[in-house]
Amino acid sequence: SYVLTQPPSVSVAPGQTARITCGGNNIGSKSVHWYQQKPGQAPVLVVYDDSDRPSGIPERFSGSNSGNTATLTISRVEAGDEADYYCQVWDSSSDHPYYVFGTGTKVTVL
Amino acid sequence: EVQLVESGGGLVQPGGSLRLSCAASGFTFSSYWMSWVRQAPGKGLEWVANIKQDGSEKYYVDSVKGRFTISRDNAKNSLYLQMNSLRAEDTAVYYCARIRGGLRGWYFDLWGRGTLVTVSS
Repeated sequence: SYVLTQPPSVSVAPGQTARITCGGNNIGSKSVHWYQQKPGQAPVLVVYDDSDRPSGIPERFSGSNSGNTATLTISRVEAGDEADYYCQVWDSSSDHPYYVFGTGTKVTVL
Repeated sequence: EVQLVESGGGLVQPGGSLRLSCAASGFTFSSYWMSWVRQAPGKGLEWVANIKQDGSEKYYVDSVKGRFTISRDNAKNSLYLQMNSLRAEDTAVYYCARIRGGLRGWYFDLWGRGTLVTVSS
């Protein structure tokens, strides 16, 4: 089955840029989606199709995807961005489609 | 308001059964694939099952095949998950999620707040 690998944690000072990676075999050929999950809350979609933002998501959230790595970038980080972030792809290589999530990255705002 | 509201979670003994429900509102429920996603305590997200708009196609993660059944009632705008032969490792918050199609795959654009299922004696 397809595996997505994320760093367990990323720390960033307010106002700086946080970059969260998501590694997978030839992930650049897939669409990558990103979710933000704050403690005790449901996940929220922040980026879909590699780099598109749903309505209501700040422009500070952006994404890219190439080769074996996708990246979620959070610019001008705020205290409210502290959360767990998960990447996700749809894998159709097995006998039936699977929704695969990354291992998750905890973003800490210093 | 567009929302999903889960219910039906609780404490159940190993080997027992539970039925989760998800009430959808604010959108045309019958137009979307729907899914259940779970999260064990302190762990990451895991897709569990999904169902096509008319219920004609259903898919499951291997670990729940033969034990869980996803279903829907479009007249009631509701999604269900029947869970049988429950195991300790099924303990998790179960989220109902709406599925959208992207350029090269599918994703979850709307989530409920979740319902906690605890399997323990």
